[in-house]
Amino acid sequence: DGGITQSPKYLFRKEGQNVTLSCEQNLNHDAMYWYRQDPGQGLRLIYYSQIVNDFQKGDIAEGYSVSREKKESFPLTVTSAQKNPTAFYLCASSRDRAGVAGGEQFFGPGTRLTVL
Amino acid sequence: AQSVTQLDSQVPVFEEAPVELRCNYSSSVSVYLFWYVQYPNQGLQLLLKYLSGSTLVKGINGFEAEFNKSQTSFHLRKPSVHISDTAEYFCAVSAMNRGKSTFGDGTTLTVKP
Repeated sequence: DGGITQSPKYLFRKEGQNVTLSCEQNLNHDAMYWYRQDPGQGLRLIYYSQIVNDFQKGDIAEGYSVSREKKESFPLTVTSAQKNPTAFYLCASSRDRAGVAGGEQFFGPGTRLTVL
Repeated sequence: AQSVTQLDSQVPVFEEAPVELRCNYSSSVSVYLFWYVQYPNQGLQLLLKYLSGSTLVKGINGFEAEFNKSQTSFHLRKPSVHISDTAEYFCAVSAMNRGKSTFGDGTTLTVKP
């Protein structure tokens, strides 16, 4: 079955530690995205990538880093510079060529990060 | 630049009643419009999308939405809701030829027995 997987589902981190959230897709999509979701708020874009080896900052990139070395993988690192990292993190992908697929995004199940 | 406003943060409704979740957008270019649903502790799923053609779009689970270009709205409706429709609903817009979307803040739909 095609889809997006995120791991782990729950992640606990001590203050001052970096952690990496995994996101893998087998949909052959060009574009991938990372969002942060806080209670009562919508989705805020952290980073996105429209092609391998290229990515752009979203609205709240400070304290986060990404890489896109393979088409199917887009890991997110939450660094110690992120002041309030406790949140629900969602990864998504899309074909990117909106004229073909209409730009809809396919989401993974999410990772809930808690800083202890 | 584009933006999305979901006019109601919470909508309580009784089971089998009709419901409308309101979404307005702004954009300087032509757009695609989407509604997504999120159940607790899960990712988002696409309910329906408007790309072109008929302004009335039908989606999964009995939901439908109407695109109104003059009012820049894309309201979501269901004639009779079920307890299982209780979830968070997000409206989103993306400019044509770009996959990046802008999401609204979400509307929490609570269906009461």
